[in-house]
Amino acid sequence: EAGVTQFPSHSVIEKGQTVTLRCDPISGHDNLYWYRRVMGKEIKFLLHFVKESKQDESGMPNNRFLAERTGGTYSTLKVQPAELEDSGVYFCASSQAATKTGETQYFGPGTRLLVL
Amino acid sequence: GDSVTQMEGPVTLSEEAFLTINCTYTATGYPSLFWYVQYPGEGLQLLLKATKADDKGSNKGFEATYRKETTSFHLEKGSVQVSDSAVYFCALRATYNQGGKLIFGQGTELSVKP
Repeated sequence: EAGVTQFPSHSVIEKGQTVTLRCDPISGHDNLYWYRRVMGKEIKFLLHFVKESKQDESGMPNNRFLAERTGGTYSTLKVQPAELEDSGVYFCASSQAATKTGETQYFGPGTRLLVL
Repeated sequence: GDSVTQMEGPVTLSEEAFLTINCTYTATGYPSLFWYVQYPGEGLQLLLKATKADDKGSNKGFEATYRKETTSFHLEKGSVQVSDSAVYFCALRATYNQGGKLIFGQGTELSVKP
């Protein structure tokens, strides 16, 4: 069974440019999460999809970030325009049943974003 | 709000040494607790978990016990190997949050020398 995949693995862009990150969850997982780790600090939650619906987007830092999950399969996270403080590692995770206690979230390898 | 605090790294140990990485949490109710590990160049992997007080999670020689009285979930291993070098993250999932959001500590980098 394929795990969570993310593309690209690395991205270097200039301030003001646009970047789109993609996440492909494990097949059959309705729940998809985005997280971010900035400057070696803690990993912080960004948002949660259930199928194609945004269940919780309380962690999205501002309106420069736009996440979509059309059709309830893969998801994209667009940053437009990118700022220096957006640099970090963006992780995607998926799970089957978010309401089940202790349900495991399976993480992708992350996308390392550097904004210059 | 809910939070997780981990001991700061980096932690450097010799092979076969005993490992403890401290993790304490603040949360409403009885959260599920997790340890994730990130090996160099890879994504986060679930190492172990515990869903209620006094549960012990274990995997690959690592153990952690859910201590409600001290709000802790310390990670231990009796004899570390070079291959254990990685970043370790403690996390909780709050019971009131049915969406499954995880709250992480800042991570502890472990380096094991031969």
